[in-house]
Amino acid sequence: IAGITQAPTSQILAAGRRMTLRCTQDMRHNAMYWYRQDLGLGLRLIHYSNTAGTTGKGEVPDGYSVSRANTDDFPLTLASAVPSQTSVYFCASSRDARNTEAFFGQGTRLTVV
Amino acid sequence: GIQVEQSPPDLILQEGANSTLRCNFSDSVNNLQWFHQNPWGQLINLFYIPSGTKQNGRLSATTVATERYSLLYISSSQTTDSGVYFCAVVFGNAGNMLTFGGGTRLMVKP
Repeated sequence: IAGITQAPTSQILAAGRRMTLRCTQDMRHNAMYWYRQDLGLGLRLIHYSNTAGTTGKGEVPDGYSVSRANTDDFPLTLASAVPSQTSVYFCASSRDARNTEAFFGQGTRLTVV
Repeated sequence: GIQVEQSPPDLILQEGANSTLRCNFSDSVNNLQWFHQNPWGQLINLFYIPSGTKQNGRLSATTVATERYSLLYISSSQTTDSGVYFCAVVFGNAGNMLTFGGGTRLMVKP
């Protein structure tokens, strides 16, 4: 089934450790996104990529980095995790960067202790 | 500032009842989507509706872009409709960033 796959599903991470959240899509969408959802709140954009080879900062980019080496993959890296990065992380994609519908992965629940 | 406000924040329905959820936004938008986040946390696309009216089974949505609001109608509600409903918009000057409202938490009782 076509869609977005995130890994891992959940993770408990010690503060200060490095972690990469993986995201792969098979819809050949040009644009991809990372959002975080904190308890009881809507989602906020961390980073985005309008096309392979380009990335941009969203609303809450500090402490996170991304890369877009190809169309399908968009990993999110926490270089040195802190407890405030405890959240549910959603990867999303859309056909183009503007005016097109976004689709979300199943999420990664990350707890930093 | 730029805002997306949803109402009501919480809603309890008896199975079979109808409901209307509202989303107000503070500026012109290029994109508006409605999502259902189920109790397992999955975000399910309901409608992509920057303007006009769409229907999908028991659900329908209307966006009046000139008046800066959208409505989601749920008819003959079922327990599986429970969860959180989010409205999300891309404002005209915000590139491709979806800005989410705070959600409406719906509980449908059998």
